[in-house]
Amino acid sequence: GESVGLHLPTLSVQEGDNSIINCAYSNSASDYFIWYKQESGKGPQFIIDIRSNMDKRQGQRVTVLLNKTVKHLSLQIAATQPGDSAVYFCAENIRGTALIFGKGTTLSVSS
Amino acid sequence: SQTIHQWPATLVQPVGSPLSLECTVEGTSNPNLYWYRQAAGRGLQLLFYSVGIGQISSEVPQNLSASRPQDRQFILSSKKLLLSDSGFYLCAWSASPYFAGELFFGEGSRLTVL
Repeated sequence: GESVGLHLPTLSVQEGDNSIINCAYSNSASDYFIWYKQESGKGPQFIIDIRSNMDKRQGQRVTVLLNKTVKHLSLQIAATQPGDSAVYFCAENIRGTALIFGKGTTLSVSS
Repeated sequence: SQTIHQWPATLVQPVGSPLSLECTVEGTSNPNLYWYRQAAGRGLQLLFYSVGIGQISSEVPQNLSASRPQDRQFILSSKKLLLSDSGFYLCAWSASPYFAGELFFGEGSRLTVL
């Protein structure tokens, strides 16, 4: 089964708000994590990644935080826009050759 | 630049019929290749991955199989489809030989088994 999971299956926010999507992982040996965005009917697209020797990484409007003590990963999206509406997946690398994905959080942004 | 192609985009098949989904990658050599399945409203389930020609690792025992006849070609097959095989199948590749790293996904193949 999947070792990566998300706390909430859905998240609804207003345009302009900041969004926080959470993910818990169970394998303390995981050393690499990625956030993906999947729009309806399309393949997932890379958003941002982080290695286990870091606790924070920033991209354009997105920040990923990693708390290894509690095995928790979060994705923060600043000034959320309608185009951010999608399903967001966290994924971890625990076996060295493949990423294991969580179930995903559906982000809905209303104007 | 690298591109990944997956076909067919949609497929409707009767139970018990065979399946063949193809995936090719262009612009890179010796990629790691992956097949994932996404059931409706669920996450991505890793089915197979390959680190080289003829090398296939199966993550989930089932009636599906995968083959890698060429460096940049990955094929997902079944001899007899089940209703539970319906889903969105995604092919992906990564460049790193040692760990998955960033995965680049194709546009997916939606399979409906009736």
